[in-house]
Amino acid sequence: DAGVTQSPTHLIKTRGQQVTLRCSPKSGHDTVSWYQQALGQGPQFIFQYYEEEERQRGNFPDRFSGHQFPNYSSELNVNALLLGDSALYLCASSSRDRVKFYGYTFGSGTRLTVV
Amino acid sequence: EDKVVQSPLSLVVHEGDTVTLNCSYEVTNFRSLLWYKQEKKAPTFLFMLTSSGIEKKSGRLSSILDKKELFSILNITATQTGDSAIYLCAVESRAGGTSYGKLTFGQGTILTVHP
Repeated sequence: DAGVTQSPTHLIKTRGQQVTLRCSPKSGHDTVSWYQQALGQGPQFIFQYYEEEERQRGNFPDRFSGHQFPNYSSELNVNALLLGDSALYLCASSSRDRVKFYGYTFGSGTRLTVV
Repeated sequence: EDKVVQSPLSLVVHEGDTVTLNCSYEVTNFRSLLWYKQEKKAPTFLFMLTSSGIEKKSGRLSSILDKKELFSILNITATQTGDSAIYLCAVESRAGGTSYGKLTFGQGTILTVHP
């Protein structure tokens, strides 16, 4: 059973560059959420996608954008990278159907380092 | 603004000890409270609690929710070195006016179990 898969696992970028992170949700899940986890902190909600639309968003600037594809996979894009964007980026998938809902399944994350 | 606070932030015990991890929350439109274990990258699901006063158990781990006092505890009995990890408490809340949920995490409790 394929869980949530994220790519790449590690990434090093220079300030000002742009980055794209990818996520494939668990089989049977249709909703993808993205979280940023800074060192020593709990994950923070970035945004959530369902039916290819952003449904809700946390307190992150417009430099953070995303996309969801018809197969439910998703991308997170970050423009004009800052040193403070260095973090573990986690993707979580879930089912919109509350009858089938049983929590959120997380991927192993992408470790982004901005230098 | 939704808020989740965990205590203690770190805990060092010896194998065989029993530990209690605490989580208090203030959120609007509460849906569920979830506990995760994070060892390296991917938080792995432990429990989801929606009803007050009903204990969930899985082996040596158990958890209970008090919706009146807005807190939850996670108990681990007969700890083992393999229990060493970060334990994350997250509260799922529903975005106002919609049925979309998101997670707000606490900072996590770092548990270290010595042989």
